[in-house]
Amino acid sequence: QSALTQPASVSGSPGQSITISCTGTSSDVGGYNYVSWYQQHPGKAPKLMIYDVSNRPSGVSNRFSGSKSGNTASLTISGLQAEDEADYYCSSYTSSSTYVVFGGGTKLTVL
Amino acid sequence: EVQLVESGGGLVQPGRSLRLSCAASGFTFDDYAMHWVRQAPGKGLEWVSGISWNSGSIGYADSVKGRFTISRDNAKNSLYLQMNSLRAEDTALYYCAKDTSRYSSGWQFDYWGQGTLVTVSS
Repeated sequence: QSALTQPASVSGSPGQSITISCTGTSSDVGGYNYVSWYQQHPGKAPKLMIYDVSNRPSGVSNRFSGSKSGNTASLTISGLQAEDEADYYCSSYTSSSTYVVFGGGTKLTVL
Repeated sequence: EVQLVESGGGLVQPGRSLRLSCAASGFTFDDYAMHWVRQAPGKGLEWVSGISWNSGSIGYADSVKGRFTISRDNAKNSLYLQMNSLRAEDTALYYCAKDTSRYSSGWQFDYWGQGTLVTVSS
């Protein structure tokens, strides 16, 4: 069982917006701004999409945005495109002895 | 262009050892913390270990503490993971990843290698 909780799957049609949630505790998501999101296509390495809760790395589309409220972080993808279909993982620093925790991943299907 | 190239994976028997390497290029290696993240077949991501830019701060996941040792050689732009007492549950694709923050650790990973597969089986 992963330390951070994500929905197993979400789906949306092209052009729509979707939001993926990532729920932790005050020891991780709620307590620190070291929250990040990664996109992983099949057979590929993960790609950083959001860091420090809401910052986008250079080159990442502005259709991707991140936010946090309490112990829950969210990734929103607007204007869904076929190429967005992938697995998405959230991650957070944690004050526990394991330093970094990931969510179990969310499979995004673009209908 | 940032490049991270892992090597050293393979098939190993339970209880044996393996050493992974990661060759880095395209950035000032000794300015950044580095990490190992693994992914078991068909499963999610799991952070394994991280090391600060000057090796002064090191951390491990509870699942590998006491068995794995991370190290780096800044002169060779290389990161290592010594894995001892390997178990079947250590079977995974091991990624080398660069930290987002300079001279500290942001505990987030902006560049990843393609991974090296470690299979622990008799």
